[in-house]
Amino acid sequence: GENVEQHPSTLSVQEGDSAVIKCTYSDSASNYFPWYKQELGKRPQLIIDIRSNVGEKKDQRIAVTLNKTAKHFSLHITETQPEDSAVYFCAASRRNNDMRFGAGTRLTVKP
Amino acid sequence: SAVISQKPSRDICQRGTSLTIQCQVDSQVTMMFWYRQQPGQSLTLIATANQGSEATYESGFVIDKFPISRPNLTFSTLTVSNMSPEDSSIYLCSVARGVNTGELFFGEGSRLTVL
Repeated sequence: GENVEQHPSTLSVQEGDSAVIKCTYSDSASNYFPWYKQELGKRPQLIIDIRSNVGEKKDQRIAVTLNKTAKHFSLHITETQPEDSAVYFCAASRRNNDMRFGAGTRLTVKP
Repeated sequence: SAVISQKPSRDICQRGTSLTIQCQVDSQVTMMFWYRQQPGQSLTLIATANQGSEATYESGFVIDKFPISRPNLTFSTLTVSNMSPEDSSIYLCSVARGVNTGELFFGEGSRLTVL
């Protein structure tokens, strides 16, 4: 089955700096790669996703890149703000019912 | 996005007892899933709740421990049976936006503490 690895496990940046989180996956048939943000005590919420026919996607301050050949994808957050502090999870799937999540990255943005 | 309601939101349970978590969605959905999130950990898929048939369990999870019902397209329950402290976790109901679109929405979660 799919195995998703995520790095780093913790990340601390200064407000205004950029943050990058990286994930690798094992199943070359995976074709959907979402990123979820989970604030303390809250549910995971989808913030951006990318499908295997696209190499990059951007939504305001966040962007995701995908390298299918290398089987890795990354989340980029620019101009970080304190409200970006949360745990971020990457995931990969071929179908709805086989979504596998990375271990998570705890991002802290220091004001 | 779908509105997903779970209850209870939290509970404290005694070892050896069982607890049923309910998940209600505001629209009919084809696929519903149950995830477990242990303290400080990632999300692990327990099972897919299938309407009209038995749930499909992931490796490491069995029906006797986590029986699931899915009587219709808007409702599902997960029971955590014969609980031990190791079952202390957040249990999350999730639904797919569409068939094979991949996008999942999560309920607020049910935080169980087993003493």
